Amino acid sequence: AQSVTQLDSHVSVSEGTPVLLRCNYSSSYSPSLFWYVQHPNKGLQLLLKYTSAATLVKGINGFEAEFKKSETSFHLTKPSAHMSDAAEYFCVVRTGNQFYFGTGTSLTVIP
Amino acid sequence: EAQVTQNPRYLITVTGKKLTVTCSQNMNHEYMSWYRQDPGLGLRQIYYSMNVEVTDKGDVPEGYKVSRKEKRNFPLILESPSPNQTSLYFCASSVSSGRSGDTQYFGPGTRLTVL
Repeated sequence: AQSVTQLDSHVSVSEGTPVLLRCNYSSSYSPSLFWYVQHPNKGLQLLLKYTSAATLVKGINGFEAEFKKSETSFHLTKPSAHMSDAAEYFCVVRTGNQFYFGTGTSLTVIP
Repeated sequence: EAQVTQNPRYLITVTGKKLTVTCSQNMNHEYMSWYRQDPGLGLRQIYYSMNVEVTDKGDVPEGYKVSRKEKRNFPLILESPSPNQTSLYFCASSVSSGRSGDTQYFGPGTRLTVL
């Protein structure tokens, strides 16, 4: 069975401090992994995608994620949070023809 | 502009009254999918389609139907809606489901309330 676990339902950081959103996945073979962001009352936007070309993946708006096969993790990071980063973040795994979403992490940025 | 469109954006209906939510993409994508989003549960895949006339169940297909008669359209049909189908629905499309083309593009969402 495939699944995605986002370890924190809520994360709160101060503006200018680092962001870490954690994601673990289970998959029977090397999956495609994604992070999507959903701003309030908006649709979903792709932040980044792991394609197996490199374990450190750079995305939009300064976000990056590192694929660690031994830990089955794909954590999302950003060196310095901005107020506009406040949103819901989803880790997604594709295995076969199906996509599996984590339950989401709500990021609050404190001014 | 490349996009996925959904209609209606908001819908309030009553139990048992058949409804259809339309989804259309203008990117010539082969893969299309429907999701529902519920608080604390993330997005769950309802149905997906690999191409015209090829559809398959996702994780939560009960109470839903789909069809893919044309490449650009993938309507979601609720034959007899029930209150537990009150949710936010998203349509998405991608070039394919293979590694090189599986980035999904999402529609704006349809908020459905079933009374």
